[in-house]
Amino acid sequence: AQTVTQSQPEMSVQEAETVTLSCTYDTSENNYYLFWYKQPPSRQMILVIRQEAYKQQNATENRFSVNFQKAAKSFSLKISDSQLGDTAMYFCAFANFGNEKLTFGTGTRLTIIP
Amino acid sequence: ETGVTQTPRHLVMGMTNKKSLKCEQHLGHNAMYWYKQSAKKPLELMFVYSLEERVENNSVPSRFSPECPNSSHLFLHLHTLQPEDSALYLCASSQRGGNRAKNIQYFGAGTRLSVL
Repeated sequence: AQTVTQSQPEMSVQEAETVTLSCTYDTSENNYYLFWYKQPPSRQMILVIRQEAYKQQNATENRFSVNFQKAAKSFSLKISDSQLGDTAMYFCAFANFGNEKLTFGTGTRLTIIP
Repeated sequence: ETGVTQTPRHLVMGMTNKKSLKCEQHLGHNAMYWYKQSAKKPLELMFVYSLEERVENNSVPSRFSPECPNSSHLFLHLHTLQPEDSALYLCASSQRGGNRAKNIQYFGAGTRLSVL
């Protein structure tokens, strides 16, 4: 069974700074997908970024980028120029290729300080 | 309007009550999901419906009964719940298979359930 581990329960950073959230996972599969979801106080889980394991290039979405290290089974999220609206819970998630079943980590609560 | 809408936003019920949670998706997807989110625990997948057929049931107690009358609507019927069932219940949808499939699930804002 796959597992996803987020070792940082809480983090805080000053507005406009850069922050990196950690995620490691365990799987015996070769083809899979990795995700970062954001859950603000409104509670709606919002997709931040998605990585396909067969792609070596790290995914980027505006201020959000990932450092995907397949051999190390590591998938960290970097938020650049952090904004107050980035305050939220961030969840790392895993899905096997061809199977939309998501396995989530326990989340990291990120607070952006004005 | 968000793509996935859940009602009610909040629900308080006694252990002997019967209530239902509703989820509606406006994204044209063919799969829908129920998750349970408890404090300090990973999201737990409860049920998966694909093309209105239940394809996964993760050992959920029978006091939770899902219903998917069509590809846009999903219900979770609740009866004789326990206090430990208090949690945030999230609904999601995705497109399974075909060219549109990208393994992306879109979530609603959840129903905060309190069982007294």
